[in-house]
Amino acid sequence: GNSVTQMEGPVTLSEEAFLTINCTYTATGYPSLFWYVQYPGEGLQLLLKATKADDKGSNKGFEATYRKETTSFHLEKGSVQVSDSAVYFCALSDPTSGGFKTIFGAGTRLFVKA
Amino acid sequence: EADIYQTPRYLVIGTGKKITLECSQTMGHDKMYWYQQDPGMELHLIHYSYGVNSTEKGDLSSESTVSRIRTEHFPLTLESARPSHTSQYLCASSEGVLGAEAFFGQGTRLTVV
Repeated sequence: GNSVTQMEGPVTLSEEAFLTINCTYTATGYPSLFWYVQYPGEGLQLLLKATKADDKGSNKGFEATYRKETTSFHLEKGSVQVSDSAVYFCALSDPTSGGFKTIFGAGTRLFVKA
Repeated sequence: EADIYQTPRYLVIGTGKKITLECSQTMGHDKMYWYQQDPGMELHLIHYSYGVNSTEKGDLSSESTVSRIRTEHFPLTLESARPSHTSQYLCASSEGVLGAEAFFGQGTRLTVV
């Protein structure tokens, strides 16, 4: 079945460090891919998305490229800030259900130290 | 800006009580969802709805029930709360087409004592 696997956390970085959170997926069709972020005590909010192969999603300095050949959607940021401390979820929109269900990875907690 | 609201934000309740978690959205989305989030952060889909009068069980079995009488409203009910129901519950909605994002409420943190 469809699934999302992302790197386990927590990830601890110093401010201005480079961030990579790995995400790979398994899907039978052509899914849309997402990164969501959850700040403490809040619900999830969309960070970025890509709907087809080779698309790059970007927002707030974060980027991820839809790589069909490696079934990956790794999240990157060149210089993290303390305010980026949160939990990050990779997700796909399940094409076998007409894009109805969103399947989430287990989440990666990021701590950024000043 | 997302317009999806959950109440209450926090609820502490005794075992055996009946509770209803409220979820409302003003975006006119047909598709709505309830997720249970465990302390390890993982999200589990417990209920979803295609639209009015449509409800389906999700991937994780849950003793809760849901209803969808109005497009904007998707409440979740537990008839008899137990400590095992203690968790964070997140409601979401989307247009439900390929590529559409899900909009989440702030969540309800339920503690059953």
